[in-house]
Amino acid sequence: DTEVTQTPKHLVMGMTNKKSLKCEQHMGHRAMYWYKQKAKKPPELMFVYSYEKLSINESVPSRFSPECPNSSLLNLHLHALQPEDSALYLCASSQDGTGRSGNTIYFGEGSWLTVV
Amino acid sequence: AQRVTQPEKLLSVFKGAPVELKCNYSYSGSPELFWYVQYSRQRLQLLLRHISRESIKGFTADLNKGETSFHLKKPFAQEEDSAMYYCALMQAQKLVFGQGTRLTINP
Repeated sequence: DTEVTQTPKHLVMGMTNKKSLKCEQHMGHRAMYWYKQKAKKPPELMFVYSYEKLSINESVPSRFSPECPNSSLLNLHLHALQPEDSALYLCASSQDGTGRSGNTIYFGEGSWLTVV
Repeated sequence: AQRVTQPEKLLSVFKGAPVELKCNYSYSGSPELFWYVQYSRQRLQLLLRHISRESIKGFTADLNKGETSFHLKKPFAQEEDSAMYYCALMQAQKLVFGQGTRLTINP
């Protein structure tokens, strides 16, 4: 099973709303990632968690707040977003976050976010 | 800084024809390279990784360090190969993607 599950699949939120995206994997992976993908563009890394600790934040605005409650779960809390934040948000996981050889990243289907 | 370049945004070939999707990289160390595919309305899936030297769905890719390339090839294209293809390079914990090539296979 190489599945990363994301909920919700679609989310529409207003600029004053607070919402969360959720991600789950049961592969025993110890690294989890959030990527953002705009239309017709490649995914861009936002955050990396390794062994439940935030190890990389790619200068993401504070209106995006990641959380890793345990090794299987990853959340992305959203608050006061802008319309330009509308995108596909991809969760991913890998065996560990060391970048060692053979460490393949597996992606979820994504959550389509629209900010109105 | 590491960079992945896919020079073709769009590539269109006929069914049964050979396919080559180009990927060049710049990286100072020993690169770890991947090809991911995104079919319409499906998740980003791993297609190939250079360290395993495998062939998936008839696709192969060889790392050429001299030319800093990792081109994806298939001898006979099939209609179900139509998709978005991303070449990616792993550095530490970061997977850096090229801009992608949209491959269309015409019947």
